[in-house]
Amino acid sequence: DQQVKQNSPSLSVQEGRISILNCDYTNSMFDYFLWYKKYPAEGPTFLISISSIKDKNEDGRFTVFLNKSAKHLSLHIVPSQPGDSAVYFCAALGGNNDMRFGAGTRLTVKP
Amino acid sequence: ETGVTQSPTHLIKTRGQQVTLRCSSQSGHNTVSWYQQALGQGPQFIFQYYREEENGRGNFPPRFSGLQFPNYSSELNVNALELDDSALYLCASSLDLLAGGLETQYFGPGTRLLVL
Repeated sequence: DQQVKQNSPSLSVQEGRISILNCDYTNSMFDYFLWYKKYPAEGPTFLISISSIKDKNEDGRFTVFLNKSAKHLSLHIVPSQPGDSAVYFCAALGGNNDMRFGAGTRLTVKP
Repeated sequence: ETGVTQSPTHLIKTRGQQVTLRCSSQSGHNTVSWYQQALGQGPQFIFQYYREEENGRGNFPPRFSGLQFPNYSSELNVNALELDDSALYLCASSLDLLAGGLETQYFGPGTRLLVL
């Protein structure tokens, strides 16, 4: 059962523009959400997170928005840079230390 | 560089065989989680070890088992390999998740397993 979904397998944006990556979840018991970035031949690296008690968290060029009623979160990257090109995974944490990942979105930022 | 290492990097096995994958944690981390990432999918949680005890398990059969050693390094063992076990296996070490260590979960580069 896919409780965390990233419906866009890929996204291409121009350097300097905004990248918006989306993620939907089905389990209302999830209370913590994370975004990871993955380069080829490397493990995922933590990017930014948000607790379910918040609706926004910002860290430099990266902002995560959480809409609990819609069970939707998004990652905004602005301005996008070519070095941001990678696969982005959203993940959700509930009980049992079971972190559920989406299938990932491949972001390409064109110079 | 995260300091989490995994061995081997690649492995080919045949159906029915057994495999052991190894993970060396980031210094100071006492929690290790294992994930299976099939092609085109996100990582799927297999189980987690905290101070040598299993501390949570995902939806994987008992032929997936693990160990954590006193130095907090870890092994993932898979018995009776099936073709669908072909995947990238990731380990991630962290401080105690219960103490808010989620953001310190560092992933290794993974072991790519191919079952023929």
